[in-house]
Amino acid sequence: QQQVKQSPQSLIVQKGGISIINCAYENTAFDYFPWYQQFPGKGPALLIAIRPDVSEKKEGRFTISFNKSAKQFSLHIMDSQPGDSATYFCAAFSQAGTALIFGKGTTLSVSS
Amino acid sequence: GAVVSQHPSRVICKSGTSVKIECRSLDFQATTMFWYRQFPKKSLMLMATSNEGSKATYEQGVEKDKFLINHASLTLSTLTVTSAHPEDSSFYICSARDKARALYEQFFGPGTRLTVL
Repeated sequence: QQQVKQSPQSLIVQKGGISIINCAYENTAFDYFPWYQQFPGKGPALLIAIRPDVSEKKEGRFTISFNKSAKQFSLHIMDSQPGDSATYFCAAFSQAGTALIFGKGTTLSVSS
Repeated sequence: GAVVSQHPSRVICKSGTSVKIECRSLDFQATTMFWYRQFPKKSLMLMATSNEGSKATYEQGVEKDKFLINHASLTLSTLTVTSAHPEDSSFYICSARDKARALYEQFFGPGTRLTVL
């Protein structure tokens, strides 16, 4: 049973455009939602994260939008750059659990 | 801060041999460490959770006799792939939870590429 559904699987965006990746979850006990960025051959690195008590969090060009009632959250990358080309994973965590639950990932390609 | 290292970064071995991968938290104490496996262009699959000084908890479908995990100290966990076969070839990633931080914060290592010939 996949608890975190991520879409799209792949995304191609022009340089300077907005990249949007969406995730949906089922378990209402989740209370922490991070996004990770992974480059080929490297481990995932935390990009930005949000708790369910806020609807939006922005850090530089990266913004998480969170909709608690719809059980959805999304990552927006503004002014996308070729250096943003990577695989992005959303994840979720609950205090009752032990490990992060990951989405299947989105491969982003930003064309110059 | 919160740096996790893995050694080796890549290893090639012959079928039937055993391979040990180390995961170290360099600047914090890790009460819990996680081992993931990642196939090309796929998500991270949690293999097991290890707590310092106790036996690892394996996810369903993961052979505990094949993937031996030892978490002997607050800064080191090891994954040993025993009698490795080509199907064990994969990218193995560890992560660690800082004893002094929130439960949800995990810090990932750079990964180890295992190729079994």
